[in-house]
Amino acid sequence: NAGVTQTPKFRILKIGQSMTLQCAQDMNHNYMYWYRQDPGMGLKLIYYSVGAGITDKGEVPNGYNVSRSTTEDFPLRLELAAPSQTSVYFCASSYSGLAGPRNTGELFFGEGSRLTVL
Amino acid sequence: AQKITQTQPGMFVQEKEAVTLDCTYDTSDPSYGLFWYKQPSSGEMIFLIYQGSYDQQNATEGRYSLNFQKARKSANLVISASQLGDSAMYFCAMRPFTGYSTLTFGKGTMLLVSP
Repeated sequence: NAGVTQTPKFRILKIGQSMTLQCAQDMNHNYMYWYRQDPGMGLKLIYYSVGAGITDKGEVPNGYNVSRSTTEDFPLRLELAAPSQTSVYFCASSYSGLAGPRNTGELFFGEGSRLTVL
Repeated sequence: AQKITQTQPGMFVQEKEAVTLDCTYDTSDPSYGLFWYKQPSSGEMIFLIYQGSYDQQNATEGRYSLNFQKARKSANLVISASQLGDSAMYFCAMRPFTGYSTLTFGKGTMLLVSP
């Protein structure tokens, strides 16, 4: 049971470089999310997607881009990396945003990707 | 917009004692879900317990229970019989059940369990 898989787990970038954080889920969830976690600040939503071809901004989208061409994959693109993007990034998925008899709307998280921009 | 407040940056408890981690929330949505996640030092996010705003009874999952007081907009996590492995960061979160809703997290509480 793979669940949500993120790669890479660790990455060091130089200022101005670009990279893509990969995220894949095998639970056939239609909702997927990217959060960032800074020390003492909890998790903040960057982008989310409610299905293939549909994405929307979260609380802190600046400096990032996403795409959702398939149900399984939700990559996060960092363009022109800045030190402020040093963080731990979590990808997550859920069945939907609505509760039902068999669905709490619980998020399933990947293991996280630690990114340092120097 | 939703807001989650966890006022305790850190909590200390001795092994085998019970501990309550506070969480208050603010939302204008009529129905919503409340969640608690645990993040050990290894970094992964572990789902602990869920409470729906329409649930009449407080949720329980093993040693975890959620003290839900809707009028006070509080959703405190109670851990009974603390274990050393409970030492971790704990996050309260909520999502409304309207439209395309997402999960909003609090800043977390660090729990340290001592022998």
